[in-house]
Amino acid sequence: DGGITQSPKYLFRKEGQNVTLSCEQNLNHDAMYWYRQDPGQGLRLIYYSQIVNDFQKGDIAEGYSVSREKKESFPLTVTSAQKNPTAFYLCASSISTSGGENEQFFGPGTRLTVL
Amino acid sequence: AQSVTQLDSHVSVSEGTPVLLRCNYSSSYSPSLFWYVQHPNKGLQLLLKYTSAATLVKGINGFEAEFKKSETSFHLTKPSAHMSDAAEYFCVVSAVGGSQGNLIFGKGTKLSVKP
Repeated sequence: DGGITQSPKYLFRKEGQNVTLSCEQNLNHDAMYWYRQDPGQGLRLIYYSQIVNDFQKGDIAEGYSVSREKKESFPLTVTSAQKNPTAFYLCASSISTSGGENEQFFGPGTRLTVL
Repeated sequence: AQSVTQLDSHVSVSEGTPVLLRCNYSSSYSPSLFWYVQHPNKGLQLLLKYTSAATLVKGINGFEAEFKKSETSFHLTKPSAHMSDAAEYFCVVSAVGGSQGNLIFGKGTKLSVKP
């Protein structure tokens, strides 16, 4: 079965803790993305990566970090510097980022709650 | 700069009646346009996409959308709503020739279907 997996489905964090959200794809896609979704806000881009060992900040990168050591994996760390981390986080991938035509495939999401 | 506006935050229809979800876009380039659907606590699934071919685009589950350049619109329609269509729908724009294949999401329209 080809697709994108995210884990965990639900995550609870105490204030001041860093947490890492997992995203794995077996679609052989070069590009991967992280989005944050808040009610009534649509999706906002946190980071994206066009290729292994390269990534770029999106619109709301402050308080987040990523790595892309393998093509299949693009983990997101929510650091203690992120002041309002409670949200639904979605990972996506596409064949590439060029041309703007490549549709993005989404994982099932991780819901992060800060206690 | 690209932007997308979904004109209704919430639409309610009765089962078996037509669905119309409205979307207007702004783009400096010839746009690629998408509609995605999201069921509660799930990832996003692509319904259909427009990439400068036919202006009437057919998607999955009986949905279709018409690209109207003169009106800068890309409204989503379905002749007869089904209970399973209840979900949130996102209109998305990406600009051919624009930066890095980023997708700009509308804020979403929640579709309710009454029995």
